[in-house]
Amino acid sequence: KAGVTQTPRYLIKTRGQQVTLSCSPISGHRSVSWYQQTPGQGLQFLFEYFSETQRNKGNFPGRFSGRQFSNSRSEMNVSTLELGDSALYLCASSQGQAQGEKLFFGSGTQLSVL
Amino acid sequence: DAKTTQPNSMESNEEEPVHLPCNHSTISGTDYIHWYRQLPSQGPEYVIHGLTSNVNNRMASLAIAEDRKSSTLILHRATLRDAAVYYCIRRSNDYKLSFGAGTTVTVRA
Repeated sequence: KAGVTQTPRYLIKTRGQQVTLSCSPISGHRSVSWYQQTPGQGLQFLFEYFSETQRNKGNFPGRFSGRQFSNSRSEMNVSTLELGDSALYLCASSQGQAQGEKLFFGSGTQLSVL
Repeated sequence: DAKTTQPNSMESNEEEPVHLPCNHSTISGTDYIHWYRQLPSQGPEYVIHGLTSNVNNRMASLAIAEDRKSSTLILHRATLRDAAVYYCIRRSNDYKLSFGAGTTVTVRA
């Protein structure tokens, strides 16, 4: 079974630009969640999608958005990039049916904003 | 805002047990406690989870205090492959995850 795939692996952008990151979940998984990881703030929850609907979100500005497609693939978009958006962005997939289920993480997209 | 706190680092010798504490004193009654670990250049990997009772699996054991305000991840016999950052996480009933800052485990050969 293929794991969670995130593309691209690395990305360099400049301030003010926008960026779209992609996440392909494990086959059969209906939930995709996104996280930001920085040395200063650690891992922080961005949002979670289940069956194409955003089920909840963390405390991030509206510049951070996402969506999920009918095949469960998900994209995350960051508009008007700031230097502080430089981070490793991780996505995870799961069945989405229970708090106690495992999450399977991708290797992340390393975003650098110059 | 509820916090999950962990020690920054912990060292162990190979083949010895490692006890990783986590404080989650403001945990909700319905929050699950999860542990994941992360190796360099990889995403986090599931280790174990629990709600109220102690849990065991092939990787580790999770001991949850009776009042649920703290928990301890136990690696019974550390190997070099167990060197990683270990995250204690609360998962709420709306599926949000709140991460601790992580404990860096170093295993000495």
